[in-house]
Amino acid sequence: DSGVTQTPKHLITATGQRVTLRCSPRSGDLSVYWYQQSLDQGLQFLIQYYNGEERAKGNILERFSAQQFPDLHSELNLSSLELGDSALYFCASSAFGQGGYTFGSGTRLTVV
Amino acid sequence: EDQVTQSPEALRLQEGESSSLNCSYTVSGLRGLFWYRQDPGKGPEFLFTLYSAGEEKEKERLKATLTKKESFLHITAPKPEDSATYLCAVQAPWDSNYQLIWGAGTKLIIKP
Repeated sequence: DSGVTQTPKHLITATGQRVTLRCSPRSGDLSVYWYQQSLDQGLQFLIQYYNGEERAKGNILERFSAQQFPDLHSELNLSSLELGDSALYFCASSAFGQGGYTFGSGTRLTVV
Repeated sequence: EDQVTQSPEALRLQEGESSSLNCSYTVSGLRGLFWYRQDPGKGPEFLFTLYSAGEEKEKERLKATLTKKESFLHITAPKPEDSATYLCAVQAPWDSNYQLIWGAGTKLIIKP
């Protein structure tokens, strides 16, 4: 157990629907990062939050949004889902500063 | 543009056959270089952080080294359970958000 908790582990939904992925960071970590990883592809950075504020955006589609709440958990909202959105979505957390990230086990999203 | 390049893309070894994975980077200066291991369908698992040229870190059959332009992950007498994708990432000194710049990974397959 890495200390970063992601729910749900698996999600199957239809095109056009909206889903919410949840992440609880490791205790004490203020920064949360969301990544997308399609089949056999690399990690694509989506968005970063630090202590409730958005800090950086990567290749995040306008249909996607995220937020970090006062208790530091974060949610990634994906709407108007398309088949191509099927992927693993990872959340990572860090203490913010020099050092690496701790990843969660991911949410596997399948859009049918 | 800051980049991280990993080679080879894939590496097949016999059990016990030692080898090295390469991670080269073009980041000017370096705040840190990170190695992760990722098993299929799982989140990346942190292995090592290296901060300065000449630094070395070891863990079981793995040893990571760092020069001013590249890092090597040496695998000594690997076992089938070492099969995974190994990811390298760097943290640039200019980035106030402490983002990681990721390589595409090396897929390592160890045959018994």
